[in-house]
Amino acid sequence: NAGVMQNPRHLVRRRGQEARLRCSPMKGHSHVYWYRQLPEEGLKFMVYLQKENIIDESGMPKERFSAEFPKEGPSILRIQQVVRGDSAAYFCASSPQGYNEQFFGPGTRLTVL
Amino acid sequence: RKEVEQDPGPFNVPEGATVAFNCTYSNSASQSFFWYRQDCRKEPKLLMSVYSSGNEDGRFTAQLNRASQYISLLIRDSKLSDSATYLCVVDHGQNFVFGPGTRLSVLP
Repeated sequence: NAGVMQNPRHLVRRRGQEARLRCSPMKGHSHVYWYRQLPEEGLKFMVYLQKENIIDESGMPKERFSAEFPKEGPSILRIQQVVRGDSAAYFCASSPQGYNEQFFGPGTRLTVL
Repeated sequence: RKEVEQDPGPFNVPEGATVAFNCTYSNSASQSFFWYRQDCRKEPKLLMSVYSSGNEDGRFTAQLNRASQYISLLIRDSKLSDSATYLCVVDHGQNFVFGPGTRLSVLP
């Protein structure tokens, strides 16, 4: 049973480019969460999605960031016009239901030059 | 008051020692509580859920005190491999809030 998968593991972008981060939840899990972790800081919640629905996006910056979890395929976190401050590790987690234990993917480390 | 607070440490303890971490939370309506561990530059891994009656898993014991709004983690007979950052997690509405973590270093 494969765990949560994220790709790419490392992503380098120049300022102004777009970053697309993908997350495939564990088999049987329909709830996906995205978190951001800046160097030497804690995990910050960004968005919680179920298939085709955004449940809670209270942690998402209002501009440039968007997330989706389509009926088919992985969840995508999209960052448009990246800036240096977007450099961080982005972790995805999944759970079979809300309020359950979350299982994390290995993360995508985004570096903005 | 922050939603979830933890002493950042670091806690430096010798092998075999017993160490305890506390975590306080602000939302009295929270229902789900967890401890995760995170190794440097790795993803958080679930250590254990925290139940109202307290629970134990080998050398690890978790307690919940709803009246005082804190949870605790006790590690007995600590091993070198226990060195990590321990994250307290509390549900908050429809999402989860992670504490900043407590760093533990177990020294030989």
